[in-house]
Amino acid sequence: DAMVIQNPRYQVTQFGKPVTLSCSQTLNHNVMYWYQQKSSQAPKLLFHYYDKDFNNEADTPDNFQSRRPNTSFCFLDIRSPGLGDAAMYLCATSAPGRQETQYFGPGTRLLVL
Amino acid sequence: DAKTTQPPSMDCAEGRAANLPCNHSTISGNEYVYWYRQIHSQGPQYIIHGLKNNETNEMASLIITEDRKSSTLILPHATLRDTAVYYCIVSLLGSARQLTFGSGTQLTVLP
Repeated sequence: DAMVIQNPRYQVTQFGKPVTLSCSQTLNHNVMYWYQQKSSQAPKLLFHYYDKDFNNEADTPDNFQSRRPNTSFCFLDIRSPGLGDAAMYLCATSAPGRQETQYFGPGTRLLVL
Repeated sequence: DAKTTQPPSMDCAEGRAANLPCNHSTISGNEYVYWYRQIHSQGPQYIIHGLKNNETNEMASLIITEDRKSSTLILPHATLRDTAVYYCIVSLLGSARQLTFGSGTQLTVLP
């Protein structure tokens, strides 16, 4: 089945140690999104790619970066994780013109020690 | 994007219809109403969306008032697996539109 895959499901890192979260999709969608969801809060968009065009949300900290080497893969890099960056990170995809629904992966829960 | 207001929590008996309300009084004419849900520890899942006509699919029905200032998501026969946070989102239909999630409604289906 076509899907959005996030690995790992759980990631532990140390305070200040760079970490990369991965997302891949078999849907061949143009758009890929990264959301941050802290405990008991709603998902919050960090940035998205429309093909190779990167779109950053205005309030996304500089500590968060992203790469999209090809259509299928997108990475979230946290350069110096702080305790406040512990959260669930959700990847989603969409195909403009096809109902605009977003398809979410299961998320990666990041723990910062 | 227009802001939405939802009750923070609702209960529903298993097998009964669950009716989840949403207010979006500042919705503009070209904004759609989307519903997503998030089961605990999973990613959000698309349910349904509509512009002004009522919509139905295999998961749910969406009733939008004539003035479009509010809507109701209906799960016709709720099951325990429908326990989740339900998000009502108003957004333009266009290329790469982001979703702005509000606080949602925690629906608990009781046995």
